[in-house]
Amino acid sequence: AQKVTQAQTEISVVEKEDVTLDCVYETRDTTYYLFWYKQPPSGELVFLIRRNSFDEQNEISGRYSWNFQKSTSSFNFTITASQVVDSAVYFCALSEKNFGNEKLTFGTGTRLTIIP
Amino acid sequence: GAVVSQHPSWVICKSGTSVKIECRSLDFQATTMFWYRQFPKQSLMLMATSNEGSKATYEQGVEKDKFLINHASLTLSTLTVTSAHPEDSSFYICSAWALYNEQFFGPGTRLTVL
Repeated sequence: AQKVTQAQTEISVVEKEDVTLDCVYETRDTTYYLFWYKQPPSGELVFLIRRNSFDEQNEISGRYSWNFQKSTSSFNFTITASQVVDSAVYFCALSEKNFGNEKLTFGTGTRLTIIP
Repeated sequence: GAVVSQHPSWVICKSGTSVKIECRSLDFQATTMFWYRQFPKQSLMLMATSNEGSKATYEQGVEKDKFLINHASLTLSTLTVTSAHPEDSSFYICSAWALYNEQFFGPGTRLTVL
């Protein structure tokens, strides 16, 4: 069975600090996809990144970066120079191929609060 | 990116009534749509997978007779919560899967059952 663990339930940092959100996953599939989503107070999920299991290159997008390490089954997310607008709940997710569809298993989420 | 809409965005109903939630893919055809439920301060839990023209596949523990799903076209899936009770109050989110392997989420529907 697929499982995604986000051990950090809540994190608070002062604005402009860097923060890393951890994500550890379990799967028996050799081909899978990992995701990060942001959920602001409005509730709508905002897609941040999708990474397939064969691509272990780290990715950087502006202030966001992701570190994928298959050896430790981790897909961590770092926000540099955090801003108040980054305050939200962040979910890590893992896809399972289900007859060609992507069935997502979500972690429990990390609530990030940026203190001005 | 592709757009998925949900209607209504919020609904309040009395216990015992049925509520229908619509999920539409606005600019692409979705062969598969997923329905998730999210209780306050909790994660998203998949309820069912809906394929156009066939019966939905429900996750373990989800009552198919209570949560009726219809996927009548490639752009529309509906979730009907029948005989709703206060414990069904939740945030319901749909997603639509496009053939090029992307999954797009709707904005969610907040259901409150009094």
